Amino acid sequence: GQNIDQPTEMTATEGAIVQINCTYQTSGFNGLFWYQQHAGEAPTFLSYNVLDGLEEKGRFSSFLSRSKGYSYLLLKELQMKDSASYLCAASDSNYQLIWGAGTKLIIKP
Amino acid sequence: IAGITQAPTSQILAAGRRMTLRCTQDMRHNAMYWYRQDLGLGLRLIHYSNTAGTTGKGEVPDGYSVSRANTDDFPLTLASAVPSQTSVYFCASSREENNEQFFGPGTRLTVL
Repeated sequence: GQNIDQPTEMTATEGAIVQINCTYQTSGFNGLFWYQQHAGEAPTFLSYNVLDGLEEKGRFSSFLSRSKGYSYLLLKELQMKDSASYLCAASDSNYQLIWGAGTKLIIKP
Repeated sequence: IAGITQAPTSQILAAGRRMTLRCTQDMRHNAMYWYRQDLGLGLRLIHYSNTAGTTGKGEVPDGYSVSRANTDDFPLTLASAVPSQTSVYFCASSREENNEQFFGPGTRLTVL
């Protein structure tokens, strides 16, 4: 079967760094997406990885290891506005996204 | 309009009633999607369309139907609503399949 695993909830301190992990099992693989979703709002795109390695975009970076079925999202210099859910989604052989349940990130002052 | 819109914002519906959720995008994206989001579960794909005139079934298509008569519109119909269809429904679009998806604001549907 197809499956995405990510932690349900994480807590971090303003100004710190946090890493949100995601493991995936899909029939075929065409890339890994990360989205941010604030409470009561729609998801918004953060990153896409299809090759192994780290992609950096400002305070956010995303890493992929295809051989391990593993990705992480790294958030640096945390701000209160980063409090949100972070959704991991893998693209399968039919280019359909299989979504994790999301990681709720709580930022404390 | 700019982006992707959905209507209604929220709806309370009696079981057995027919309901159409509307979705319109003005980005000329080829691909469009309907998801439902339930607490504790990931987004689940209901139906999708890779281009106008074609549709496909996602992970949870039963009880739902879609049409794609043109590029901009992708309505989702519940033929006879049941309480298990209570959820938040998101419409999304992307330039092509496997591209970044842009989401509408969602429709919160309650079936009693």
